[in-house]
Amino acid sequence: DIQMTQSPSTLSASVGDRVTITCRASQSVNTWLAWYQQKPGKAPNFLIYKVSSLRSGVPSRFSGSGSGTEFTLTISSLQPDDSATYYCQQFHTYPWTFGQGTKVEIK
Amino acid sequence: QVHLVQSGAEVRKPGASVKVSCKASGYTFIKFVVHWVRQAPGQGPEWMGWINAANGNTRYSQKFQGRVTFTLDTSASTAYMELNSLKSEDTALYYCARDFEYCTGGSCPGYWGQGTQVTVSS
Repeated sequence: DIQMTQSPSTLSASVGDRVTITCRASQSVNTWLAWYQQKPGKAPNFLIYKVSSLRSGVPSRFSGSGSGTEFTLTISSLQPDDSATYYCQQFHTYPWTFGQGTKVEIK
Repeated sequence: QVHLVQSGAEVRKPGASVKVSCKASGYTFIKFVVHWVRQAPGQGPEWMGWINAANGNTRYSQKFQGRVTFTLDTSASTAYMELNSLKSEDTALYYCARDFEYCTGGSCPGYWGQGTQVTVSS
């Protein structure tokens, strides 16, 4: 199975900060990568597909980049509502696999 | 508006089976794949597989192959996930999710149900 490793596991930042989360794949997934946001007690919320395509309704402060084995999710100006855990997911090779998550906290 | 409503929490003993339902509304049920994903406490999501609502074709993660079965009742716009030979490690929140329309079929769980807690305990 393709292992997805996220870093950091937790980050704490202030409102307005630029935040970057990294996701590394154990082998190339080309551009077949998605990002999800999950708040406590809720189902994951699908944010970005194919590395950088934002789902309709997702704020433009979210962006994704990368290819192959290294990817990033960036929040350009962190907002209180962005406090959540973020997961990457590859859909290049079965079984689809998720990262272990990055928890974003607001200082 | 896509809406997936799952059945309620279940408690089972080790070795038993559980069947979770997922009723869809707000779209044409047979046009999309339904994924099943589980999440153990404090862990990332784990993809279990999908079922194509158009024809019943399935794709299972090898980890669950032989122990999980996905089925449909298209007349009721409902998908089912049955997991057998339960172990304590199967204790998790189980989610159904509809495929996202702009991903290649069967790729992206884009619309999620609320989750069903399955607890396996003697």
